[in-house]
Amino acid sequence: SQTIHQWPATLVQPVGSPLSLECTVEGTSNPNLYWYRQAAGRGLQLLFYSVGIGQISSEVPQNLSASRPQDRQFILSSKKLLLSDSGFYLCAWPDRARNTIYFGEGSWLTVV
Amino acid sequence: AQKVTQAQTEISVVEKEDVTLDCVYETRDTTYYLFWYKQPPSGELVFLIRRNSFDEQNEISGRYSWNFQKSTSSFNFTITASQVVDSAVYFCALSEYKGGGNKLTFGTGTQLKVEL
Repeated sequence: SQTIHQWPATLVQPVGSPLSLECTVEGTSNPNLYWYRQAAGRGLQLLFYSVGIGQISSEVPQNLSASRPQDRQFILSSKKLLLSDSGFYLCAWPDRARNTIYFGEGSWLTVV
Repeated sequence: AQKVTQAQTEISVVEKEDVTLDCVYETRDTTYYLFWYKQPPSGELVFLIRRNSFDEQNEISGRYSWNFQKSTSSFNFTITASQVVDSAVYFCALSEYKGGGNKLTFGTGTQLKVEL
């Protein structure tokens, strides 16, 4: 069956430190993958999407970057975190067969 | 540009009351999908329903029902006989097909609190 996972689940990082959040999917090939962020008390904002290996589109200018090193792996990174990077990050995968979009478990990032 | 508006920031009800969560959307696409997701305190997003733009039939699933009205660009969600376990943030979302994939535009969410 198809599943989507992301880790770590929670992370507390100091300002200026690097970040790496990982998302993987199973049971499918060549998926489109997305990174969303939910800041405290706000809705979900699309950060990046990828339609294939090495293909990344950015939706909003920011301190973060994304990479797609493998077909079923999507990574969200930062070289130097800012306080404003704190939030809840969700990886998403649209299941075309079911015409719906599934989300990973989410990663809570607190920048201190 | 696509936009989803959930005007109700927070709703509080007493258990067993019915509650309706409003969602209004804007899109220029003729084909689109609408979604509702539930986000409990643990944070994960739980898929509730998907509706395509050509299907305006209302849907009922247990205590949940959805009213899709294309004429008013609304996709409202009603919980009948609410329970404490329904307490969560509920997101309405609109999907557009762009760049080879589906992208979701979310509303800002409605926090539902169901009290005893």
